[in-house]
Amino acid sequence: KQEVTQIPAALSVPEGENLVLNCSFTDSAIYNLQWFRQDPGKGLTSLLLIQSSQREQTSGRLNASLDKSSGRSTLYIAASQPGDSATYLCAADSNSGYALNFGKGTSLLVTP
Amino acid sequence: SAVISQKPSRDICQRGTSLTIQCQVDSQVTMMFWYRQQPGQSLTLIATANQGSEATYESGFVIDKFPISRPNLTFSTLTVSNMSPEDSSIYLCSARQARNYGYTFGSGTRLTVV
Repeated sequence: KQEVTQIPAALSVPEGENLVLNCSFTDSAIYNLQWFRQDPGKGLTSLLLIQSSQREQTSGRLNASLDKSSGRSTLYIAASQPGDSATYLCAADSNSGYALNFGKGTSLLVTP
Repeated sequence: SAVISQKPSRDICQRGTSLTIQCQVDSQVTMMFWYRQQPGQSLTLIATANQGSEATYESGFVIDKFPISRPNLTFSTLTVSNMSPEDSSIYLCSARQARNYGYTFGSGTRLTVV
C-alpha cells in the first residue's frame, strides 16, 4: 500500500515569503500525485495534479514537482499571503491501487 | 472535472441509529470512493464503490458497519450503521472519470453521534 508522509506538520511564515512543502511516498510506481488544500471545517480543493509522466505543474503562485525515483514531491508557494493559510494535503495512488492515499498534511499559517 | 453533490452536509444522530450519505456526480465516472476524516486527522479510505457489485473495503472497515451501494455510474451511498460516538467524523466521497484524470471530492458530511 502507498504510504505518504508530509513534512513539516506545521509551518508559520510572515506574509511575502516563499515556502516549500514536502511530500514523500513509498511506492515509486505512482500514477498520479495530487495536492489539495483544506480550510477548517471545509472539503478539499484540488490545487495541482501531476501524472507519472510529468515532472511538474504550475498554477499561479503554486508549483508542484514530482521525482518518482526518489519518491518525493514538493509544493512551492511564492509570495505567500494570509489567504494561503490552510492545511495542505499531498495524496498519491499507485499502479497497484486506484484510490488516493493521503499524508497527514501541513498546516500553514501566513501572518500579516 | 466532475462535480460532486454530497448530502447531508451535516447531521447529529443518536447512538444506535444509522445514517445514509448520498453522493451524486454530474457526469459518468469510472471510480468512486468513500473516505473518513476523524477530528484533527487526515483522510482514510473506507472503500471503493464498485458499480453493480459489492464494494471493496480497506482493512479495518466492514460491510456490516459501512454498507455501500453504487447502482450506476453517477451515484453512490454510504450508510454508517449502529452508530457510536467514535463514528463522529467527516465522511467524503470522491470520484474520478478515468485513470489519467484527477480526483474530485464532495464537500463532505460532518457527522456527530451523541
